[in-house]
Amino acid sequence: SQQGEEDPQALSIQEGENATMNCSYKTSINNLQWYRQNSGRGLVHLILIRSNEREKHSGRLRVTLDTSKKSSSLLITASRAADTASYFCATEKIGYSTLTFGKGTMLLVSP
Amino acid sequence: EAQVTQNPRYLITVTGKKLTVTCSQNMNHEYMSWYRQDPGLGLRQIYYSMNVEVTDKGDVPEGYKVSRKEKRNFPLILESPSPNQTSLYFCASSLGTGGSGYTFGSGTRLTVV
Repeated sequence: SQQGEEDPQALSIQEGENATMNCSYKTSINNLQWYRQNSGRGLVHLILIRSNEREKHSGRLRVTLDTSKKSSSLLITASRAADTASYFCATEKIGYSTLTFGKGTMLLVSP
Repeated sequence: EAQVTQNPRYLITVTGKKLTVTCSQNMNHEYMSWYRQDPGLGLRQIYYSMNVEVTDKGDVPEGYKVSRKEKRNFPLILESPSPNQTSLYFCASSLGTGGSGYTFGSGTRLTVV
């Protein structure tokens, strides 16, 4: 069953602009994670935010988590063409040992 | 290099011919999992394993088997593949629950004709 739902499904921006992707989920979670996937390749873990955290940074990435709204956002600042990929949020639910993925946001960054 | 290795990368097979997709990790991770990825459906979990000899069903386990005899290996077995199992398969591993990111393999693109 899908736990996370990303929004938008697709996003097209120019290099240098910021990209914001959102994720909503349904049940209480231990943590929420963001992954990147380049065209049919394996997913790469970007960042993890725990349920008791509100914001986290890693390089050009900024993740926020609002547990009251059951939502998260991923901000990529100063986007580059190399950031073109699909981005997935994934949640680890309380009491479960599995990670459930959303359907992803396709980001296209044009030079 | 820390990695999850899947084999084969590509596989075309015929309906009903048993096959195994291998998965191995070199990070001493306790947790391993299999996912399939289909257009419009995202990633769905097939099976997972919290440790040796401990496996459990994910969201879409029908038609698949797994085993975890050693910590590093977690093969996915299709006893009688059918065309609806044509998909992109990923193996992943992590230290365990409680806040560890997953490391994914490069994927196995399976076509069942």
